[in-house]
Amino acid sequence: DAKTTQPPSMDCAEGRAANLPCNHSTISGNEYVYWYRQIHSQGPQYIIHGLKNNETNEMASLIITEDRKSSTLILPHATLRDTAVYYCIVRVDGGNTGKLIFGQGTTLQVKP
Amino acid sequence: KAGVTQTPRYLIKTRGQQVTLSCSPISGHRSVSWYQQTPGQGLQFLFEYFSETQRNKGNFPGRFSGRQFSNSRSEMNVSTLELGDSALYLCASSPATGGLGNTEAFFGQGTRLTVV
Repeated sequence: DAKTTQPPSMDCAEGRAANLPCNHSTISGNEYVYWYRQIHSQGPQYIIHGLKNNETNEMASLIITEDRKSSTLILPHATLRDTAVYYCIVRVDGGNTGKLIFGQGTTLQVKP
Repeated sequence: KAGVTQTPRYLIKTRGQQVTLSCSPISGHRSVSWYQQTPGQGLQFLFEYFSETQRNKGNFPGRFSGRQFSNSRSEMNVSTLELGDSALYLCASSPATGGLGNTEAFFGQGTRLTVV
């Protein structure tokens, strides 16, 4: 699975959009981009995933660049409860494995 | 639908002892993966079980083992505990039966193991 690079920490004002970047310059054509987050002392929570098209769900939007070497997770209106560590993971999809390789992630601090 | 259940939530053991942790996946999920989380190493993949067979394995010593039962419940065992085994152990379940849309992993709250 491709390696990802994320900034170690970011701040965001409550109510503003949080944009979390991820670099995955060695991503292969069949690898998907996944985002999970982990709120303190809880298990990670799935947020969203995509291949090359932008994706949106009730939690967030995922923007993937045309060359697929980077992506951005967008939380449109961050709240204090969005304070967490956010992990960007790339892996081959096809549903044939539950294995996830986590990096160090980005600690997002949402401030009032 | 009930989530992933891990028991116990907290555990204190002595060096040299062994420990067994339990994970009950979401009903219908056949894949159970285990992860170790420490402040120094972050979240690390231990192993994955699917239909009672180990399908993937991380880079951990043989003291770490697991198994999966016919009802998909899984246990992991750590023998000859070391101080460095103190960690949050997380279990995740997913359908993982192939095909897009079957890859989302759902995590439990974890078992906090302290080795003294």
